[in-house]
Amino acid sequence: AQRVTQPEKLLSVFKGAPVELKCNYSYSGSPELFWYVQYSRQRLQLLLRHISRESIKGFTADLNKGETSFHLKKPFAQEEDSAMYYCALSYSSASKIIFGSGTRLSIRP
Amino acid sequence: EAEVAQSPRYKITEKSQAVAFWCDPISGHATLYWYRQILGQGPELLVQFQDESVVDDSQLPKDRFSAERLKGVDSTLKIQPAELGDSAMYLCASSSGQITNEKLFFGSGTQLSVL
Repeated sequence: AQRVTQPEKLLSVFKGAPVELKCNYSYSGSPELFWYVQYSRQRLQLLLRHISRESIKGFTADLNKGETSFHLKKPFAQEEDSAMYYCALSYSSASKIIFGSGTRLSIRP
Repeated sequence: EAEVAQSPRYKITEKSQAVAFWCDPISGHATLYWYRQILGQGPELLVQFQDESVVDDSQLPKDRFSAERLKGVDSTLKIQPAELGDSAMYLCASSSGQITNEKLFFGSGTQLSVL
């Protein structure tokens, strides 16, 4: 069965430190992976998707099919990065989308 | 920028009562999703529509939950009767449905408390 695992419920780092939010997935086909973010009092929104191979707000994520991972990284954390981050897997021609349990990122000044 | 609209924003009800949530997706979006998010967990897919047709309702507790999207535009999710364990945030999301695996646009959600 398809599954997305985010092992850390909370990640707290100092401003300026590197950040890595972990995401592992289980899917036998070709996955489409996303990171969604929810800032305080805002809607859940797309941060980035692996197919675009883009960097958004300094964040990048690389799909590692061998390790079935899609970790989110940023070299220098900023206070405005504090938010809930959800990894998501999209699969099938019907675009079914499932989410991980989320990681709360807290940036300390 | 167009947004997904949901109402009500908050709903408090007693167990065994009926509740209904409404969602209006972004205009022209063919695919509509209802998710349930329990505190401390990620969104869990309840039902997915493509236009007026249900694509996936495998996780919808059909003994008490129902969802419809009669004209392929807005949608209603109903719970009858509500149980204490139904307390959660109910999120609606939409996408254009033009390509597979595209991004979702989320509403602000309806926070349900069952007493």
